[in-house]
Amino acid sequence: KAGVTQTPRYLIKTRGQQVTLSCSPISGHRSVSWYQQTPGQGLQFLFEYFSETQRNKGNFPGRFSGRQFSNSRSEMNVSTLELGDSALYLCASSPLTAITNYGYTFGSGTRLTVV
Amino acid sequence: AQSVTQLGSHVSVSEGALVLLRCNYSSSVPPYLFWYVQYPNQGLQLLLKYTSAATLVKGINGFEAEFKKSETSFHLTKPSAHMSDAAEYFCAVIYNSGNTPLVFGKGTRLSVIA
Repeated sequence: KAGVTQTPRYLIKTRGQQVTLSCSPISGHRSVSWYQQTPGQGLQFLFEYFSETQRNKGNFPGRFSGRQFSNSRSEMNVSTLELGDSALYLCASSPLTAITNYGYTFGSGTRLTVV
Repeated sequence: AQSVTQLGSHVSVSEGALVLLRCNYSSSVPPYLFWYVQYPNQGLQLLLKYTSAATLVKGINGFEAEFKKSETSFHLTKPSAHMSDAAEYFCAVIYNSGNTPLVFGKGTRLSVIA
């Protein structure tokens, strides 16, 4: 069974640009969550999608957005990149109805560097 | 805000020694608790989870954790550390029956000395 796939694995962007990251969940999983990981702030929740609807949202500026498609694949977009957006972005999937019993399965992440 | 606290950002043990990584949650209502491990340049891997079925939870790679409501704790242990256990460990919690997102502690980096 394929795991959670995130593309690309590494990305270098310039300040002011925008970036789109992609996540394909485990087959059958309909919930996708995104996290930002930095050395200073640790793992911070960005947003969660289920059936193409945003279910929860973290405390991030509007430059961070996401969406989910009908096949459960998800993308997140960061516009007007800042140096502080450099981080490892992790995607996690779960069968929503069993999150509390199942937990989340994480992808390997996309390492974004903003220069 | 409800949170989870990991005591000690860095723990160092000798190979073969007991591993103890501490985690405390902040809620009067027992949450759902998880431990994840992260190896360098990788995502997070689930070690074990507490979902109220049993207070002593056994996970992968010889790790286990005990849920103690009186202490609001969910510490992770392993009787004998192996070099391959060196990694970052995260305690995480879901409150409110899964209607809120998974919240992580700051993480504890485990070093194993030969």
